[in-house]
Amino acid sequence: NAGVTQTPKFQVLKTGQSMTLQCAQDMNHEYMSWYRQDPGMGLRLIHYSVGAGITDQGEVPNGYNVSRSTTEDFPLRLLSAAPSQTSVYFCASSQTVAKNIQYFGAGTRLSVL
Amino acid sequence: AQKVTQAQTEISVVEKEDVTLDCVYETRDTTYYLFWYKQPPSGELVFLIRRNSFDEQNEISGRYSWNFQKSTSSFNFTITASQVVDSAVYFCALSEEPGGSYIPTFGRGTSLIVHP
Repeated sequence: NAGVTQTPKFQVLKTGQSMTLQCAQDMNHEYMSWYRQDPGMGLRLIHYSVGAGITDQGEVPNGYNVSRSTTEDFPLRLLSAAPSQTSVYFCASSQTVAKNIQYFGAGTRLSVL
Repeated sequence: AQKVTQAQTEISVVEKEDVTLDCVYETRDTTYYLFWYKQPPSGELVFLIRRNSFDEQNEISGRYSWNFQKSTSSFNFTITASQVVDSAVYFCALSEEPGGSYIPTFGRGTSLIVHP
């Protein structure tokens, strides 16, 4: 089982560039989410989705867009990259929310110069 | 609103020492779920344990044990006879039933360093 697959693993961008971080899961999970992890800040929720066609903002949504056209995929788009978006990004999925275990991808390390 | 506090930012121990990672939570819901996740140096977070609010039994799994106390809103994690492979960042998380904040909230994590 592939679980949650994130691509790319590493990325360097220049300020102002845009890019999409890909996330795919093969477990037929309803719930997917994106977090960013910064030193001393733990995991902060960017956006989440409780099912195909439904997305909502988390704690730190500014500068990011998401869409959920299929159950499997939940891409995260950086519209105009800024140095403050330098971080490690994790995608997670779970069968539903609340009681269910989160399965995480391996992470994407993003540097914005 | 739900909240998870892991007051210990970093803990350093020598191998074979016992160590306890603290987790204190806040919730107004009566039905909720608590989790611990481990993030080893490789970076990927893995699930360790889940507890629901109606089950206060402590749990032991090998060298790992968890102490859930509703009276103090705590869900602490103890590693007995720590090993170098236990070095990781550990996250405590909380989610409530739909109707409450069902999106998981994570603490800031505790970095455990086990020296040989």
